Amino acid sequence: DTAVSQTPKYLVTQMGNDKSIKCEQNLGHDTMYWYKQDSKKFLKIMFSYNNKELIINETVPNRFSPKSPDKAHLNLHINSLELGDSAVYFCASSPAGGRQETQYFGPGTRLLVL
Amino acid sequence: AQTVTQSQPEMSVQEAETVTLSCTYDTSESNYYLFWYKQPPSRQMILVIRQEAYKQQNATENRFSVNFQKAAKSFSLKISDSQLGDTAMYFCAFSNDYKLSFGAGTTVTVRA
Repeated sequence: DTAVSQTPKYLVTQMGNDKSIKCEQNLGHDTMYWYKQDSKKFLKIMFSYNNKELIINETVPNRFSPKSPDKAHLNLHINSLELGDSAVYFCASSPAGGRQETQYFGPGTRLLVL
Repeated sequence: AQTVTQSQPEMSVQEAETVTLSCTYDTSESNYYLFWYKQPPSRQMILVIRQEAYKQQNATENRFSVNFQKAAKSFSLKISDSQLGDTAMYFCAFSNDYKLSFGAGTTVTVRA
């Protein structure tokens, strides 16, 4: 059983398009995250949600809109895709968001914008 | 904001030998947690080890151990008896509530 899953694993699209990435966790966690890993492999937090409520929005352009329909799901919708959005996007989850908790990561979604 | 610095972009080690990865961080907080994550070529992020700042004892997990120097704000990772499967990128991370702040990563290559 996959603990944190993401779909799709790969996404190739044209500039200007809108796309979504889905994330699901079956760990019973309350907190979910989106991280972006750029071409230099640098990882940075984008959003954190706790119990479906937005906790952290780390100065991400408003073309990115996360949505959490329930505690087990956190989707990422991206409007008007730009070349600079090309990256690997990781979803993660943890029990309640506390700093002592291990975050469990999904397999990542590689997005390529042409 | 916390900053995490990994000063070694790449390291190479012979199978069965030991390699140490360095990590320093900057924070004004007194209680915090530090993590090492591993990212093999499969891209999956895997927890290696974690350390609580209040604990004097260095964390160990099998062949992985840390040298945590709180005053120096240093958190190095030692991989003993390196195996081919240890080839990966290793990220040091500082944990706040609701987010991890990562270093730039160190690529470790284990040579047969």
